[in-house]
Amino acid sequence: DVKVTQSSRYLVKRTGEKVFLECVQDMDHENMFWYRQDPGLGLRLIYFSYDVKMKEKGDIPEGYSVSREKKERFSLILESASTNQTSMYLCASSLRREKLFFGSGTQLSVL
Amino acid sequence: RKEVEQDPGPFNVPEGATVAFNCTYSNSASQSFFWYRQDCRKEPKLLMSVYSSGNEDGRFTAQLNRASQYISLLIRDSKLSDSATYLCVVTGGTYKYIFGTGTRLKVLA
Repeated sequence: DVKVTQSSRYLVKRTGEKVFLECVQDMDHENMFWYRQDPGLGLRLIYFSYDVKMKEKGDIPEGYSVSREKKERFSLILESASTNQTSMYLCASSLRREKLFFGSGTQLSVL
Repeated sequence: RKEVEQDPGPFNVPEGATVAFNCTYSNSASQSFFWYRQDCRKEPKLLMSVYSSGNEDGRFTAQLNRASQYISLLIRDSKLSDSATYLCVVTGGTYKYIFGTGTRLKVLA
């Protein structure tokens, strides 16, 4: 069974902390994505990667960075967490432009 | 104009009813189309891909109208378990997936 695994389901951090969200997929997909989802705003793309060490900014990259050192792993980093980064974070992967597979999401609260 | 637009609903329908959702998209070069289902506080899960000729999966039928730039989802014989938010997803430029904000469906007993 195909799987995208996010490291934490719930996370609580303090303002100014550096936060790491990890995502691992076991499908050998070249494309990986980080989205955030907020009520009324839908899913918004933060960053994506189409190959190891390659990354592209999405629609809302400010305050975030990413790392993809291995094909199966894509990490999202909040350099200095702020309260407006409280959100549901969803990782996804895909093969070419085929269907997206999502992880179960991380609900991040920044206090 | 948003790239992908959906009626947010909610659509409140009785069990057994037939309900249809539409989704319009603005980029005529879009190539791939999907319907996802999302339950409250869960991740989106693929319901079905949408093909040019239309496709059916049990009680669900999806259609694509390229001329008018919309896709549709028809649910027949609605079940309580169909209550969820349905997301329309369209591929944009290279590597890009564009999401609608979703249509909420409530199936009532």
